Amino acid sequence: AQKVTQAQTEISVVEKEDVTLDCVYETRDTTYYLFWYKQPPSGELVFLIRRNSFDEQNEISGRYSWNFQKSTSSFNFTITASQVVDSAVYFCALMYGGATNKLIFGTGTLLAVQP
Amino acid sequence: EAGVAQSPRYKIIEKRQSVAFWCNPISGHATLYWYQQILGQGPKLLIQFQNNGVVDDSQLPKDRFSAERLKGVDSTLKIQPAKLEDSAVYLCASSNLELAKNIQYFGAGTRLSVL
Repeated sequence: AQKVTQAQTEISVVEKEDVTLDCVYETRDTTYYLFWYKQPPSGELVFLIRRNSFDEQNEISGRYSWNFQKSTSSFNFTITASQVVDSAVYFCALMYGGATNKLIFGTGTLLAVQP
Repeated sequence: EAGVAQSPRYKIIEKRQSVAFWCNPISGHATLYWYQQILGQGPKLLIQFQNNGVVDDSQLPKDRFSAERLKGVDSTLKIQPAKLEDSAVYLCASSNLELAKNIQYFGAGTRLSVL
């Protein structure tokens, strides 16, 4: 079965702290894709990153970084020096199924960054 | 480039009434998706279109939900009759599998309250 687990329901940090959002996935497919989306209060899901199953290289984009480890089926997301504007719900998602591109989401982690 | 447009942003109806949501995808995106997001959960796929054909509607409650994409561009999702448990945000997304590496881009959603 395909599944995405985000065990952290809510995280609260103070501005400038680093924070890591955890994501664990399950799939039997050998080819799959992992995503992170941000959902601010406005409601729109904003794409952050896509990673395919053959690329375990970690990625850094500004204050954001992602750690993909197939051995532990995890795709964790770290925000360095958090800011109030980072406050949102963050979703990890798994795409599988070849050409049908089925995308399933975790339950999300609400990040609150306090000034 | 304009994003995915959805309307209305909010809708309040009474149970057993009908409601319709509209979506205009990003120009040139052949694939269109409708998701249902219940409060506190991740989005769940209802239906996927490729141009004007249905690719996957296995999760669509067909006794009350219907969707169409007649000209392969705009799409409408309808609920008739609505139930209390249909209260959710309905998100539309689109993708261009050739250019955008199966990344789905989302609209701001329609928040439906069924009383």
